[in-house]
Amino acid sequence: GAGVSQSPRYKVAKRGQDVALRCDPISGHVSLFWYQQALGQGPEFLTYFQNEAQLDKSGLPSDRFFAERPEGSVSTLKIQRTQQEDSAVYLCASSHPPRQREYTGELFFGEGSRLTVL
Amino acid sequence: QKEVEQNSGPLSVPEGAIASLNCTYSDRGSQSFFWYRQYSGKSPELIMFIYSNGDKEDGRFTAQLNKASQYVSLLIRDSQPSDSATYLCAVIDSSASKIIFGSGTRLSIRP
Repeated sequence: GAGVSQSPRYKVAKRGQDVALRCDPISGHVSLFWYQQALGQGPEFLTYFQNEAQLDKSGLPSDRFFAERPEGSVSTLKIQRTQQEDSAVYLCASSHPPRQREYTGELFFGEGSRLTVL
Repeated sequence: QKEVEQNSGPLSVPEGAIASLNCTYSDRGSQSFFWYRQYSGKSPELIMFIYSNGDKEDGRFTAQLNKASQYVSLLIRDSQPSDSATYLCAVIDSSASKIIFGSGTRLSIRP
């Protein structure tokens, strides 16, 4: 597709359930980012991939959060044993990598996955 | 201290006036700076980026950067109701591994 695709768009989970959120980046974008956006806040960095390598996971809030991108394309963010404080919109974004000619730093965002934990 | 600070607003500006949005950042090694616009319920979209000290103009938008003061601003001239949104300041940190966003400023243009 032409843009970043995320699924599901909406997810309701009971506290303690595991959830998996999928991101399909723009073709050719080797950089992929996950952000968490709580209501009324800016996006908070979670993790960054370049191809299949997870170069920065310093924003993952706990060991319940895990992200992978095994083939350097589609990425999955997994949250185990969900808690109410995990309720947020999870945004995926992709871009060209630094030092590539097309790189401007611009992030192209998907529409997000809204997670509600009851 | 948050790495990127913005006044949360709301900032209310009359239609046709200039809206001024401000942002400060803490990582002195940051090199690249961005303004994103986010409409309610939508994802952020880039409106301006700036790398060098000074002003950069694009249509009704002007971004200003002062690295010595660690300050970035966005001016919107001839404000329109369609400019009503949350404006997010973003910075690539000195490790170049992540883009950090501020909490955003809500802008409301009143007719």
